[in-house]
Amino acid sequence: EAQVTQNPRYLITVTGKKLTVTCSQNMNHEYMSWYRQDPGLGLRQIYYSMNVEVTDKGDVPEGYKVSRKEKRNFPLILESPSPNQTSLYFCASSLSADRGIIGELFFGEGSRLTVL
Amino acid sequence: GESVGLHLPTLSVQEGDNSIINCAYSNSASDYFIWYKQESGKGPQFIIDIRSNMDKRQGQRVTVLLNKTVKHLSLQIAATQPGDSAVYFCADTQGGSEKLVFGKGTKLTVNP
Repeated sequence: EAQVTQNPRYLITVTGKKLTVTCSQNMNHEYMSWYRQDPGLGLRQIYYSMNVEVTDKGDVPEGYKVSRKEKRNFPLILESPSPNQTSLYFCASSLSADRGIIGELFFGEGSRLTVL
Repeated sequence: GESVGLHLPTLSVQEGDNSIINCAYSNSASDYFIWYKQESGKGPQFIIDIRSNMDKRQGQRVTVLLNKTVKHLSLQIAATQPGDSAVYFCADTQGGSEKLVFGKGTKLTVNP
């Protein structure tokens, strides 16, 4: 089954304790992206990757890191989490960004993170 | 700043009626628009997309209309069903950029 898989789905952690949210897709997609979803603010892009070893900042990259060493994986790293990073996080992928226009994005089920 | 937004945060309809969800955008260079549906506890799902060289596109029970003159996008759902209850987002690639910008969403509630 074609899917985007995120782990963990739920996590409660404390300020400053490094954590990684993994994201994996089995569709051989080139484009991958991370979003956070907050009440009243909708979905905001954190980072995206056009292909392996290519990553770029989205609209809210502060406090996050990503890597794209393999095509299928795009982990989101919070080096020193803070309470304002409490949010619902979504990973998404797309077959390609043809001429700068992204096609259909496939989303994971989300990872709910709470930072105390 | 430039943004993609929705006119109403909530919409309530009767089962069997048609639903219309609206979206306004401000970037005149926007050339690709997508509608997503997000059910409770799930990630957004693609519904339908439209490019700026089109005014209308139809899918199964859904139609997207694009009015570039007034920078307005709408999603029409025919014969709305309880399973259509969800939050609907419009999104825009902001003139061919690599980023997809989402509106804040409209919550559709279908009453039996």
